Amino acid sequence: DAKTTQPPSMDCAEGRAANLPCNHSTISGNEYVYWYRQIHSQGPQYIIHGLKNNETNEMASLIITEDRKSSTLILPHATLRDTAVYYCIVRSGFKAAGNKLTFGGGTRVLVKP
Amino acid sequence: NAGVTQTPKFQVLKTGQSMTLQCAQDMNHEYMSWYRQDPGMGLRLIHYSVGAGITDQGEVPNGYNVSRSTTEDFPLRLLSAAPSQTSVYFCASSRMDRTNTGELFFGEGSRLTVL
Repeated sequence: DAKTTQPPSMDCAEGRAANLPCNHSTISGNEYVYWYRQIHSQGPQYIIHGLKNNETNEMASLIITEDRKSSTLILPHATLRDTAVYYCIVRSGFKAAGNKLTFGGGTRVLVKP
Repeated sequence: NAGVTQTPKFQVLKTGQSMTLQCAQDMNHEYMSWYRQDPGMGLRLIHYSVGAGITDQGEVPNGYNVSRSTTEDFPLRLLSAAPSQTSVYFCASSRMDRTNTGELFFGEGSRLTVL
Protein backbone atom coordinates (compact mmCIF):
# COMPACT_ATOMS: atom_id res chain seq x y z
CA ASP A 1 0.00 0.00 0.00
CA ALA A 2 1.21 3.52 -0.82
CA LYS A 3 2.67 5.74 1.87
CA THR A 4 0.98 9.00 2.89
CA THR A 5 2.39 12.29 4.18
CA GLN A 6 0.40 14.61 6.44
CA PRO A 7 1.31 17.76 8.38
CA PRO A 8 1.83 16.85 12.03
CA SER A 9 -0.56 19.46 13.39
CA MET A 10 -2.90 22.28 12.50
CA ASP A 11 -5.29 24.64 14.21
CA CYS A 12 -8.63 25.87 12.97
CA ALA A 13 -11.32 28.18 14.28
CA GLU A 14 -14.64 26.88 15.48
CA GLY A 15 -17.33 27.29 12.84
CA ARG A 16 -14.86 27.59 10.00
CA ALA A 17 -14.00 24.92 7.45
CA ALA A 18 -11.00 22.75 8.26
CA ASN A 19 -8.98 21.59 5.25
CA LEU A 20 -6.67 18.67 5.97
CA PRO A 21 -4.14 17.85 3.25
CA CYS A 22 -2.64 14.46 2.47
CA ASN A 23 0.05 13.58 -0.03
CA HIS A 24 0.07 10.10 -1.57
CA SER A 25 2.24 10.55 -4.64
CA THR A 26 2.95 6.82 -5.05
CA ILE A 27 -0.70 5.78 -5.09
CA SER A 28 -1.58 3.17 -7.68
CA GLY A 29 -4.69 2.82 -9.76
CA ASN A 30 -6.61 0.42 -7.55
CA GLU A 31 -5.83 2.08 -4.22
CA TYR A 32 -8.44 3.94 -2.23
CA VAL A 33 -7.90 6.91 0.07
CA TYR A 34 -9.37 6.47 3.55
CA TRP A 35 -9.72 8.96 6.37
CA TYR A 36 -10.13 8.04 10.01
CA ARG A 37 -9.97 10.14 13.13
CA GLN A 38 -9.12 9.37 16.73
CA ILE A 39 -10.61 11.54 19.43
CA HIS A 40 -8.49 11.62 22.57
CA SER A 41 -7.71 7.98 23.42
CA GLN A 42 -10.76 6.40 21.83
CA GLY A 43 -10.64 3.86 19.02
CA PRO A 44 -10.27 5.35 15.53
CA GLN A 45 -13.47 6.25 13.74
CA TYR A 46 -14.06 5.93 10.02
CA ILE A 47 -14.86 9.22 8.26
CA ILE A 48 -14.89 8.73 4.51
CA HIS A 49 -13.10 7.08 1.62
CA GLY A 50 -12.79 7.52 -2.15
CA LEU A 51 -11.08 6.23 -5.27
CA LYS A 52 -10.97 9.10 -7.75
CA ASN A 53 -14.23 11.00 -7.50
CA ASN A 54 -14.92 13.54 -4.80
CA GLU A 55 -17.04 12.16 -2.00
CA THR A 56 -19.29 13.72 0.62
CA ASN A 57 -21.12 12.32 3.59
CA GLU A 58 -22.66 13.71 6.75
CA MET A 59 -19.28 14.11 8.40
CA ALA A 60 -16.96 15.48 5.72
CA SER A 61 -16.02 15.91 2.08
CA LEU A 62 -13.08 14.29 0.36
CA ILE A 63 -11.45 16.04 -2.59
CA ILE A 64 -8.99 13.95 -4.61
CA THR A 65 -6.82 15.65 -7.23
CA GLU A 66 -7.14 14.53 -10.82
CA ASP A 67 -3.74 12.81 -10.77
CA ARG A 68 -4.73 11.23 -7.40
CA LYS A 69 -1.40 12.15 -5.85
CA SER A 70 -2.98 14.18 -3.10
CA SER A 71 -6.29 14.69 -1.36
CA THR A 72 -7.97 17.04 1.09
CA LEU A 73 -10.42 16.20 3.81
CA ILE A 74 -12.83 19.04 4.48
CA LEU A 75 -14.74 19.43 7.72
CA PRO A 76 -17.24 22.08 6.63
CA HIS A 77 -18.04 23.67 9.98
CA ALA A 78 -15.51 22.58 12.57
CA THR A 79 -16.71 22.21 16.15
CA LEU A 80 -14.73 21.71 19.33
CA ARG A 81 -15.71 18.03 19.18
CA ASP A 82 -13.74 17.72 15.94
CA THR A 83 -10.49 18.13 17.87
CA ALA A 84 -8.72 14.84 17.11
CA VAL A 85 -5.89 13.14 15.24
CA TYR A 86 -6.84 12.59 11.61
CA TYR A 87 -5.29 9.74 9.67
CA CYS A 88 -5.05 9.54 5.88
CA ILE A 89 -4.56 5.96 4.69
CA VAL A 90 -4.13 4.45 1.25
CA ARG A 91 -5.26 0.91 0.72
CA SER A 92 -5.92 -1.43 -2.17
CA GLY A 93 -9.47 -2.39 -2.96
CA PHE A 94 -11.06 -5.65 -1.94
CA LYS A 95 -8.45 -7.92 -0.47
CA ALA A 96 -8.77 -11.56 0.35
CA ALA A 97 -6.23 -10.90 3.09
CA GLY A 98 -8.59 -8.51 4.81
CA ASN A 99 -8.68 -4.84 5.67
CA LYS A 100 -5.17 -4.31 6.94
CA LEU A 101 -4.93 -0.56 7.33
CA THR A 102 -1.53 1.02 8.03
CA PHE A 103 -1.81 4.07 10.26
CA GLY A 104 0.88 6.74 10.07
CA GLY A 105 1.38 9.65 12.43
CA GLY A 106 -1.69 11.58 11.30
CA THR A 107 -2.49 15.28 11.71
CA ARG A 108 -3.35 16.56 15.16
CA VAL A 109 -6.18 19.05 14.66
CA LEU A 110 -7.04 21.52 17.39
CA VAL A 111 -10.30 23.42 16.95
CA LYS A 112 -10.19 26.67 18.89
CA PRO A 113 -13.18 28.72 20.10
CA ASN B 1 -25.74 -3.60 18.84
CA ALA B 2 -22.75 -3.43 21.13
CA GLY B 3 -20.28 -3.31 18.21
CA VAL B 4 -16.74 -4.26 19.23
CA THR B 5 -16.28 -4.92 22.94
CA GLN B 6 -12.89 -5.13 24.60
CA THR B 7 -12.11 -6.29 28.12
CA PRO B 8 -10.49 -5.35 30.38
CA LYS B 9 -10.25 -1.61 29.83
CA PHE B 10 -7.28 -1.30 32.17
CA GLN B 11 -4.72 -3.85 33.37
CA VAL B 12 -1.46 -3.72 35.27
CA LEU B 13 0.90 -6.68 34.98
CA LYS B 14 4.28 -7.58 36.36
CA THR B 15 7.07 -8.57 34.01
CA GLY B 16 6.78 -12.23 33.11
CA GLN B 17 3.07 -12.57 33.82
CA SER B 18 0.69 -13.74 31.12
CA MET B 19 -2.78 -12.51 30.33
CA THR B 20 -5.46 -12.44 27.65
CA LEU B 21 -7.16 -9.38 26.22
CA GLN B 22 -10.65 -10.22 25.08
CA CYS B 23 -12.36 -8.91 21.97
CA ALA B 24 -15.90 -9.70 20.86
CA GLN B 25 -18.03 -8.33 18.04
CA ASP B 26 -21.71 -8.85 17.35
CA MET B 27 -21.78 -7.70 13.72
CA ASN B 28 -20.94 -11.09 12.18
CA HIS B 29 -17.73 -9.65 10.73
CA GLU B 30 -15.33 -12.11 9.19
CA TYR B 31 -12.27 -9.89 9.61
CA MET B 32 -10.84 -9.10 13.03
CA SER B 33 -7.54 -7.58 14.03
CA TRP B 34 -5.45 -6.29 16.92
CA TYR B 35 -3.46 -3.06 16.93
CA ARG B 36 -1.25 -1.50 19.55
CA GLN B 37 -0.70 2.21 20.00
CA ASP B 38 2.26 3.59 21.90
CA PRO B 39 2.19 7.17 23.24
CA GLY B 40 2.22 9.77 20.47
CA MET B 41 2.35 7.12 17.77
CA GLY B 42 0.03 5.69 15.16
CA LEU B 43 -1.47 2.22 15.39
CA ARG B 44 0.56 -0.86 14.49
CA LEU B 45 -0.99 -4.15 13.43
CA ILE B 46 -0.19 -7.13 15.67
CA HIS B 47 -2.29 -10.02 14.33
CA TYR B 48 -5.36 -10.41 12.19
CA SER B 49 -7.89 -13.02 11.15
CA VAL B 50 -10.03 -13.38 8.03
CA GLY B 51 -12.34 -15.97 9.55
CA ALA B 52 -12.74 -18.65 12.19
CA GLY B 53 -9.69 -20.89 12.30
CA ILE B 54 -7.54 -18.51 10.23
CA THR B 55 -5.01 -16.10 11.72
CA ASP B 56 -1.91 -14.34 10.44
CA GLN B 57 0.81 -12.02 11.66
CA GLY B 58 0.84 -8.29 11.25
CA GLU B 59 3.67 -5.81 11.62
CA VAL B 60 4.58 -6.45 15.29
CA PRO B 61 3.52 -10.02 16.26
CA ASN B 62 6.37 -11.02 18.59
CA GLY B 63 5.29 -11.74 22.14
CA TYR B 64 1.62 -12.19 21.24
CA ASN B 65 -0.57 -15.14 20.31
CA VAL B 66 -4.05 -15.18 18.86
CA SER B 67 -6.69 -17.75 17.99
CA ARG B 68 -10.08 -17.52 16.30
CA SER B 69 -12.36 -20.37 17.30
CA THR B 70 -15.57 -18.45 16.62
CA THR B 71 -16.58 -15.60 14.32
CA GLU B 72 -17.41 -13.41 17.29
CA ASP B 73 -14.27 -13.66 19.43
CA PHE B 74 -10.61 -12.86 18.82
CA PRO B 75 -8.55 -12.96 22.04
CA LEU B 76 -4.98 -11.64 22.22
CA ARG B 77 -2.61 -13.46 24.56
CA LEU B 78 0.53 -12.02 26.06
CA LEU B 79 2.72 -14.99 26.84
CA SER B 80 5.31 -13.37 29.13
CA ALA B 81 4.67 -9.67 29.57
CA ALA B 82 7.54 -7.21 29.12
CA PRO B 83 7.66 -3.46 29.85
CA SER B 84 7.94 -2.88 26.08
CA GLN B 85 4.38 -4.20 25.78
CA THR B 86 3.03 -1.29 27.80
CA SER B 87 0.59 0.21 25.33
CA VAL B 88 -3.03 0.74 24.41
CA TYR B 89 -4.48 -2.18 22.48
CA PHE B 90 -7.32 -1.82 20.00
CA CYS B 91 -9.40 -4.55 18.45
CA ALA B 92 -11.09 -3.86 15.10
CA SER B 93 -13.42 -5.78 12.82
CA SER B 94 -14.96 -5.46 9.39
CA ARG B 95 -16.88 -7.29 6.73
CA MET B 96 -14.92 -9.28 4.18
CA ASP B 97 -17.27 -9.67 1.23
CA ARG B 98 -16.81 -7.77 -2.00
CA THR B 99 -19.38 -5.16 -1.04
CA ASN B 100 -17.43 -4.10 2.00
CA THR B 101 -16.11 -0.54 2.02
CA GLY B 102 -13.00 -1.39 3.97
CA GLU B 103 -14.41 0.40 7.01
CA LEU B 104 -12.93 -0.89 10.25
CA PHE B 105 -14.96 -0.76 13.46
CA PHE B 106 -12.81 -0.27 16.54
CA GLY B 107 -13.28 -1.10 20.18
CA GLU B 108 -12.63 1.43 22.93
CA GLY B 109 -9.21 0.07 23.73
CA SER B 110 -7.47 -1.78 26.54
CA ARG B 111 -4.75 0.13 28.39
CA LEU B 112 -1.99 -2.23 29.57
CA THR B 113 0.88 -1.32 31.87
CA VAL B 114 3.71 -3.78 32.48
CA LEU B 115 5.89 -3.03 35.48
